[in-house]
Amino acid sequence: AQSVTQLGSHVSVSEGALVLLRCNYSSSVPPYLFWYVQYPNQGLQLLLKYTSAATLVKGINGFEAEFKKSETSFHLTKPSAHMSDAAEYFCAVSLANNNDMRFGAGTRLTVKP
Amino acid sequence: DAGITQSPRHKVTETGTPVTLRCHQTENHRYMYWYRQDPGHGLRLIHYSYGVKDTDKGEVSDGYSVSRSKTEDFLLTLESATSSQTSVYFCAIRNSRDNYGYTFGSGTRLTVV
Repeated sequence: AQSVTQLGSHVSVSEGALVLLRCNYSSSVPPYLFWYVQYPNQGLQLLLKYTSAATLVKGINGFEAEFKKSETSFHLTKPSAHMSDAAEYFCAVSLANNNDMRFGAGTRLTVKP
Repeated sequence: DAGITQSPRHKVTETGTPVTLRCHQTENHRYMYWYRQDPGHGLRLIHYSYGVKDTDKGEVSDGYSVSRSKTEDFLLTLESATSSQTSVYFCAIRNSRDNYGYTFGSGTRLTVV
């Protein structure tokens, strides 16, 4: 079955610094890949998705991610962190039928003033 | 907004009692999902539905059952709650207008004592 691994359960950056959250996937067929964000006491919100079109995907709130097949990676980046970016971020993978979306364990992002 | 409502938002129950969680959507989406969220595990799929009376098991279905008698409602039942089922439960829909992303409800925090 498909799976994702998020490297680093906690990431801390200073406000204005680069945000890099790492995600590697495993899939026997071309995957669909997603990043979701979760703010405290809320559900997950879709940040961006890769569905076999452009490999560089832009999402909401200035985030983007690049699909790299050779590295089986889908890392999430943002050039300049803002205090409001503090949240938990989940990488997820599914296949074409999209009935079994698998999530990573999550990365909690802290932004220091 | 897919108009997903989960109820109750919080519940404390005793071991061995039955518990039913409800997910209600207002936009006639075909696919609905139940996930549980636990620290260090991300989200794991319990059951999903692809239409009225059509359901299938997910990754962690033992101890859970589901029913979907109407398009808008997807119920998750714990027949005899155990402490290992203490978790946050999320309902999600696959947005028919955006076939690759899920929209999540706000979650139900269930504590089994």
